[in-house]
Amino acid sequence: NAGVTQTPKFQVLKTGQSMTLQCAQDMNHNSMYWYRQDPGMGLRLIYYSASEGTTDKGEVPNGYNVSRLNKREFSLRLESAAPSQTSVYFCASSETAGRGNEQYFGPGTRLTVT
Amino acid sequence: DAKTTQPNSMESNEEEPVHLPCNHSTISGTDYIHWYRQLPSQGPEYVIHGLTSNVNNRMASLAIAEDRKSSTLILHRATLRDAAVYYCILRDWSGTYKYIFGTGTRLKVLA
Repeated sequence: NAGVTQTPKFQVLKTGQSMTLQCAQDMNHNSMYWYRQDPGMGLRLIYYSASEGTTDKGEVPNGYNVSRLNKREFSLRLESAAPSQTSVYFCASSETAGRGNEQYFGPGTRLTVT
Repeated sequence: DAKTTQPNSMESNEEEPVHLPCNHSTISGTDYIHWYRQLPSQGPEYVIHGLTSNVNNRMASLAIAEDRKSSTLILHRATLRDAAVYYCILRDWSGTYKYIFGTGTRLKVLA
């Protein structure tokens, strides 16, 4: 089992460029999440998908869009990147969105916007 | 939103027990207490979670105060590989689902 995989690992964008971060899980989990982590900070939820076919905003959704492509894959899109979106992005999954379920995190994508 | 308070940093000697405290005085009756840790340059890793009773697993123990306003993560024998940032998190479901991560406790393990 690979768990949660993310691509790319690193990316540098110029302001205004767009890109899609990819995430896949092979644990047959129903729920998936996107977080960002700024230097010295904890993680903040951007969007989540409680189950296939549904997506909802988290704490910091502005400037992002998501697609739950199928049960395995959940992508995060930056339509017009801004320097404030420089961060490390983590994808996570859990069996369900219930309060007792643990989340499994990917290795992260380090994004720099110049 | 119920929040947690943790010390910024702690140190421990290798092979000694470590007690990482967390205060959550505004916890609601149905909030689970989760602990994650994040090793350098990695994603967070689940450690343990509980609701009311103390919990044990292969990684750690979680001691929850009777009034649930605080909890303690116990690593029984710290190793160098346990050096990480430890997050105490409440599962909050107040309209928008989210974990509130906070800044955690940076644990340094001394050889």
